[in-house]
Amino acid sequence: DIQLTQSPSTLSASVGDRVTITCRASQSISSWLAWFQQKPEKAPKLLIYKASDLENGVPSRFSGSGSGTEFTLTISSLQPDDIATYYCQQYDSFPTFGQGTKLEIK
Amino acid sequence: EVQLVESGGGLVQPGGSLRLSCAASGFTFSNYDMHWVRQTTGRGLEWVSVIGTTGVTHYAGSVEGRFTISRENAKNSLYLQMNSLTAGDTAVYYCARVRKDGNKGTDDFWGQGTLVTVSS
Repeated sequence: DIQLTQSPSTLSASVGDRVTITCRASQSISSWLAWFQQKPEKAPKLLIYKASDLENGVPSRFSGSGSGTEFTLTISSLQPDDIATYYCQQYDSFPTFGQGTKLEIK
Repeated sequence: EVQLVESGGGLVQPGGSLRLSCAASGFTFSNYDMHWVRQTTGRGLEWVSVIGTTGVTHYAGSVEGRFTISRENAKNSLYLQMNSLTAGDTAVYYCARVRKDGNKGTDDFWGQGTLVTVSS
C-alpha cells in the first residue's frame, strides 16, 4: 500500500493567515492526489483533485500543488468556516488516506 | 442534486453479520464506480471496497473474504454484506461515488455515513 504522511497533525492559525498543509507519499503517485475537508459529524468533502484542480463550488482561497511524492494544500486567507480536519488521498492505486490535519483558530 | 443515503448500521456481536445499503439519487447510478470507505478515531479513513460499472469488485486486505460489495442498478442501490465481524470493524461506513479520470478515480460525493459497532 502507498503510505501518505501529512504534516502538521494539528495547526493553529488566525483568521486571514495563509495556511499550508503538506502530504508526502511513500512512492510516486504522479498527480493522483485529492484533498478533503471534514467537519465534525459530517462526511468528507472533496476540495481538490488531480493535485491542483479545484472542485466546483469550492472557494478560490483553496489551492493545491505538487506531483510525484510531495504535495501541498494552501488556504490563502483563513476564514472561520475553514475550521475542520483536512485529509489527503492518493488514488494512483487503491485509495489510501493521510492521517489528517486538524485546523484550529488561534 | 446528488444524494447518497446509507442505512443498516447498528450493534452486532463479534462473529455476526450485517448488511449495509446505500440509496443513490440525482445521478445515473449505473454509470459510476462506487466505493465503501470506513472511518475510526484510531485508524482514520480506510478504503474498504470498490465495485465497477461492470460489477468488477476489489477489497482491502483487512476485509477480503469477509465482506461482499454488490449493486442493484435498477434500484439505484449499493450494498455491503459484512460477515465474521470483529471489534476492528467498528467504524462509520460511508458510500462514495467515484469520479473517474481514465482508470483512476477519487470520491466526489459521500453519504452521511452509518455507524457499525461490533461488541458483545
